[in-house]
Amino acid sequence: EVQLVESGGGLVQPGGSLRLSCAASGFTFSAYNMNWVRQAPGKGLEWVSYISTSSSTIYYADSVKGRFTISRDNAKNSLYLQMNSLRDEDTAVYYCARTGDFDLWGRGTLVTVSS
Amino acid sequence: QAVLTQPSSLSASPGASASLTCTLRSGINVGTYRIYWYQQKSGSPPQYLLGYKSDSDKQQGSGVPSRFSGSKDASANAGILLISGLQSEDEADYYCMIWHSSAVVFGGGTKLTVL
Repeated sequence: EVQLVESGGGLVQPGGSLRLSCAASGFTFSAYNMNWVRQAPGKGLEWVSYISTSSSTIYYADSVKGRFTISRDNAKNSLYLQMNSLRDEDTAVYYCARTGDFDLWGRGTLVTVSS
Repeated sequence: QAVLTQPSSLSASPGASASLTCTLRSGINVGTYRIYWYQQKSGSPPQYLLGYKSDSDKQQGSGVPSRFSGSKDASANAGILLISGLQSEDEADYYCMIWHSSAVVFGGGTKLTVL
């Protein structure tokens, strides 16, 4: 089955760190660019970051630049998001999504930043 | 002014057609962009519907019914998602998206009610 499965979410205090993972299966992960997108409770979609197939091209939203780092391990069919200096406003469900078309989404993992 | 503007809500009757608009900010020409559309039902992740740049450059998501189609209104500088033969299962939030200046921008979303 073609799918993406996120993990690593949880409750963290402001200023803390968290690492999210996205496990891909059912397709050739190394052939696809990947993205992270988040959705705050009751709000719309917000793009977070993009990484190309070979990790040679990476983009970030201004809201996370300098705090978040996207990476991937094609041998492990996995995408990652290292989140540092977390703020209350980073509270959201985080989705990984495939390609520049965002044609496949995972079910998401909830990150809650609160003291 | 937001890059992409969507009406917050829209209501339509079963069997009717619904036209969802995505207006690009002044100075950003809709003709040069591929507009992507996503459907998100309550409690579920977004799903890719289609991407539309022109009648000769468009892509339907896998398994997406042909009653979902894309177009543009150049005079309004807007992308359009047309849903024909509305069904109760089409009730959802709909988001448009573009790639702009090495970043992804989502519209604020339109909540479609079918009643």
